[in-house]
Amino acid sequence: NAGVTQTPKFQVLKTGQSMTLQCAQDMNHEYMSWYRQDPGMGLRLIHYSVGAGITDQGEVPNGYNVSRSTTEDFPLRLLSAAPSQTSVYFCASSTLAGSDNEQFFGPGTRLTVL
Amino acid sequence: RKEVEQDPGPFNVPEGATVAFNCTYSNSASQSFFWYRQDCRKEPKLLMSVYSSGNEDGRFTAQLNRASQYISLLIRDSKLSDSATYLCAVNRWNNAGNMLTFGGGTRLMVKP
Repeated sequence: NAGVTQTPKFQVLKTGQSMTLQCAQDMNHEYMSWYRQDPGMGLRLIHYSVGAGITDQGEVPNGYNVSRSTTEDFPLRLLSAAPSQTSVYFCASSTLAGSDNEQFFGPGTRLTVL
Repeated sequence: RKEVEQDPGPFNVPEGATVAFNCTYSNSASQSFFWYRQDCRKEPKLLMSVYSSGNEDGRFTAQLNRASQYISLLIRDSKLSDSATYLCAVNRWNNAGNMLTFGGGTRLMVKP
């Protein structure tokens, strides 16, 4: 199993550009989520999904969209990139929402917005 | 006030030392608790779950105090390889799904 994969590993955007961060998992996990990590801020939840067709907002959703058309994929879209979105983005997945299960993280995407 | 707070450190300790980290959380509806380890420029990985009865995994002991709303992690006989950032996380679940909230992390540096 590849686990949780993310592409790209690095990305530089100009202000106003849009892009999609890709996330896929091959563990048949129902629950997937996106976090951003900034220095000293820990990980903050952007959006999450408890299954195909179901998504919800986390702590910091503004400026980001998600969709979940399949169990495996959970892309994160930046609609109009801003310098404040410079961060490291982690995707995570786990079994059953609400359970005491481990979240598995992807390797992260380092995004810089100029 | 952040929902989950940790002392950012860094904690600089010699090999063999015992070191303890605390983490406080503000939402009494939190249901499950974890410690994650994050190496530099890597993704977080689960170190251990935390239970009210306390749990131990080798040199690592985790404790939860629901009344005071804090979580602790004790590392005995520190190794150089323990150098990392330790993130506490608390989970709330409702009908909409999971909300896993992380603290800012505590950096540990173990020196020879």
